[in-house]
Amino acid sequence: KQEVTQIPAALSVPEGENLVLNCSFTDSAIYNLQWFRQDPGKGLTSLLLIQSSQREQTSGRLNASLDKSSGRSTLYIAASQPGDSATYLCAVTPPEASGTYKYIFGTGTRLKVLA
Amino acid sequence: NAGVTQTPKFQVLKTGQSMTLQCAQDMNHNSMYWYRQDPGMGLRLIYYSASEGTTDKGEVPNGYNVSRLNKREFSLRLESAAPSQTSVYFCASRQKQGATNQPQHFGDGTRLSIL
Repeated sequence: KQEVTQIPAALSVPEGENLVLNCSFTDSAIYNLQWFRQDPGKGLTSLLLIQSSQREQTSGRLNASLDKSSGRSTLYIAASQPGDSATYLCAVTPPEASGTYKYIFGTGTRLKVLA
Repeated sequence: NAGVTQTPKFQVLKTGQSMTLQCAQDMNHNSMYWYRQDPGMGLRLIYYSASEGTTDKGEVPNGYNVSRLNKREFSLRLESAAPSQTSVYFCASRQKQGATNQPQHFGDGTRLSIL
């Protein structure tokens, strides 16, 4: 059974620092991997989606990479800002769910960027 | 454009009471999802609907029923609430007809406490 892990559970960094969030999954056979942001009391906002055939995706200060063979994805945030403070979740879509996008979620990393 | 709207935002129930959580999307999406989010466990899929009139169980369907009467709305019903169903419930939708690689869009959640 696919399991998704995000370590650390919480992270505090000073403003301006470049940082990396980690996501690990136990079964390398995935259809895609998605990174989300969740603000307190809010739903999830999609950040980046990486297809299984891709190595990385970029959007502004965010860069997500995917290494299926090692079962890992990283979300790189450049020049962090207090507004980046949120919980970041990754989710994978197993191959059998390619039509339904039934995600399997990690438990998230709670990021706090200190001004 | 409201996206995904969930009602109510907060609810307190007594054990054994019933209630229906409402979800509506205005993006003409085909697929809709219900998740629950519990501390330390990430989001888990309760039910999924690929289209109007069709539903499919997710990872944790026991104690819940759903209804997809039209394309816009997907409701989640607790027939006899139990304390173990205390959670934050999220509705999501995805996929316009003919679109691919589209992420799920989430509502802001319903915070449900069962005493």
